[in-house]
Amino acid sequence: QQPVQSPQAVILREGEDAVINCSSSKALYSVHWYRQKHGEAPVFLMILLKGGEQKGHEKISASFNEKKQQSSLYLTASQLSYSGTYFCGTSDRGSARQLTFGSGTQLTVLP
Amino acid sequence: GAGVSQSPRYKVTKRGQDVTLRCDPISSHATLYWYQQALGQGPEFLTYFNYEAQPDKSGLPSDRFSAERPEGSISTLTIQRTEQRDSAMYRCASSLAQQETQYFGPGTRLLVL
Repeated sequence: QQPVQSPQAVILREGEDAVINCSSSKALYSVHWYRQKHGEAPVFLMILLKGGEQKGHEKISASFNEKKQQSSLYLTASQLSYSGTYFCGTSDRGSARQLTFGSGTQLTVLP
Repeated sequence: GAGVSQSPRYKVTKRGQDVTLRCDPISSHATLYWYQQALGQGPEFLTYFNYEAQPDKSGLPSDRFSAERPEGSISTLTIQRTEQRDSAMYRCASSLAQQETQYFGPGTRLLVL
């Protein structure tokens, strides 16, 4: 089942912060975050694994609440280059290799 | 190679024709995935390979879709008797191992007329 992302879209000014949420109805093993710019391939940002192991990228951080089956991506002091569509991809124990992606959050950073 | 490559980048075909899409993963990567991505949506899983083995075909929409990776490196996705609803971006991704970061290729945009 597809994870639910919120908000669907967000517009902010350069330097502002944003939070993107990803919720699943299934128990999660891992959450992967990607950013995709128009016409380009998704680019890896962050992977969070059950048990608390976390890997990061740039100035972006994320949390993984296993009990609530949700993850949040935190973008602090946003830059123009942060604009794009953010996708979370989740996997559960039953499909350790398969990622199910949400429908995305479109982030626009204005000067 | 330096990254995941896919060919062709664009493919226009007529309904009923067969098409074959190619993916060349990062050379050290054991796992290869195929996704279908509709405009404005996230990638949707089709199938994956661990070396040449194909443990999961559950995402393939119909038996017109097939994929192979005979030598555990390059993979092809074949769509037989294409239909207009097959029009989409087809993306390939590879990872070093299971549950590791997936690196996506540029995709093949398929248009079925």
